[in-house]
Amino acid sequence: DIQMTQSPSSLSASVGDRVTITCRASQGVRNDLNWYQQRPGKAPKRLIYAASSLQSGVPSRFSGSASGTEFTLTITSLQPEDFATYFCLQYNSYPYTFGQGTKLEIK
Amino acid sequence: QVQPQQWGAGLLKPSETVSLTCTVYGGSVSGYYWNWVRQPPGKGLEWIGEMNPGRSTSYNPSLRSRVTFSVDTSNNQFSLNLRSVTAADTAVYYCTRDHCNDNKCYNYWGQGTLVTVSS
Repeated sequence: DIQMTQSPSSLSASVGDRVTITCRASQGVRNDLNWYQQRPGKAPKRLIYAASSLQSGVPSRFSGSASGTEFTLTITSLQPEDFATYFCLQYNSYPYTFGQGTKLEIK
Repeated sequence: QVQPQQWGAGLLKPSETVSLTCTVYGGSVSGYYWNWVRQPPGKGLEWIGEMNPGRSTSYNPSLRSRVTFSVDTSNNQFSLNLRSVTAADTAVYYCTRDHCNDNKCYNYWGQGTLVTVSS
């Protein structure tokens, strides 16, 4: 199985900050990587697919990038509604695997 | 409506079978990638498996011996059966629907169903 190592596991930031979350794959997954946001008690919502494609309806302050086996989700100018948990998912090979999650909290 | 709606029994005893169903009212179950994902309380996400538009299935090896997906096109439903459950199967279960159209891809999640396994 491909292991997805996500960091940090938690992050404190303020409204208006820029934050980055990283997922590293244990082997190459091309750009077959999605990012999701999950608010408490809600289903996850996909933000980014194919490493860098912004999901329709998602604000442009969210962006994704890739470099080899390292993938980054960047949120510029944090808004109050962005404080949530974020997950990555590789779908390059079965079984699909998620990162452990990053909880983004208000400082 | 594009959001899947899901339902199924929420409280089971050990050794019983979880049966969950998803539908898209006003849409079709055919022609999409369907997945099931679960999340134990307070924990991360686990991929259970996928059915592609050709009806081929791929399951997580950790669950393969106990899980089956099925499609009922007459009722427009996509279902999960997970047999011989234990307390470790307690989780919120989500169905998801994926497709791409005109070079854009879309992903929709059901509202989630909490399944609790307890004697």
